[in-house]
Amino acid sequence: AQTVTQSQPEMSVQEAETVTLSCTYDTSESDYYLFWYKQPPSRQMILVIRQEAYKQQNATENRFSVNFQKAAKSFSLKISDSQLGDAAMYFCAYRSAGTSGTYKYIFGTGTRLKVLA
Amino acid sequence: DVKVTQSSRYLVKRTGEKVFLECVQDMDHENMFWYRQDPGLGLRLIYFSYDVKMKEKGDIPEGYSVSREKKERFSLILESASTNQTSMYLCASGLARRSVAQPQHFGDGTRLSIL
Repeated sequence: AQTVTQSQPEMSVQEAETVTLSCTYDTSESDYYLFWYKQPPSRQMILVIRQEAYKQQNATENRFSVNFQKAAKSFSLKISDSQLGDAAMYFCAYRSAGTSGTYKYIFGTGTRLKVLA
Repeated sequence: DVKVTQSSRYLVKRTGEKVFLECVQDMDHENMFWYRQDPGLGLRLIYFSYDVKMKEKGDIPEGYSVSREKKERFSLILESASTNQTSMYLCASGLARRSVAQPQHFGDGTRLSIL
């Protein structure tokens, strides 16, 4: 069975600085998708960024980028020029892509990011 | 934009009550999901549905059931509420296509307290 591990329960970053959130996963599949979701306090969970495992190029979305290391099964999220609005719980998620795999998403336990003014 | 609407943001019920949590999505998504979110445990899948009247158990289905009579609506039922079911419940929906990195779209969540 697949697992997703976020080893940092909480992180802090100074406003305008860069922070990296870690995520590792375990799978025997070769084709899958990885996601980072953001859940602001008392607000809806939203997608931050996604990565297809077959793509070698790391995904980027404005100030958000990932470092995808397939062999190491690592999928970290880098937030550049951190803003107060980035304060949230961040979840890493895995989803199988193969036709024989389930459509279920596997989530990590989350990392709470604090942004200091 | 996809909208996933959960019927209540906050709900307080008593032990032994039958509790219904409702979720509606407006994007004609085939798949719908119910998660439970607890501190330190992340999101745990309770049930999901990939079509009307179709459902599959997730990782923690005990004490819960679901109903999907219409494509847009997915209900979570606590048959006899217990205090250990006090939690945040999140509903999500998504397209069924496996070959595309389709994200899930989430509702605002229902914070359920069982007294």
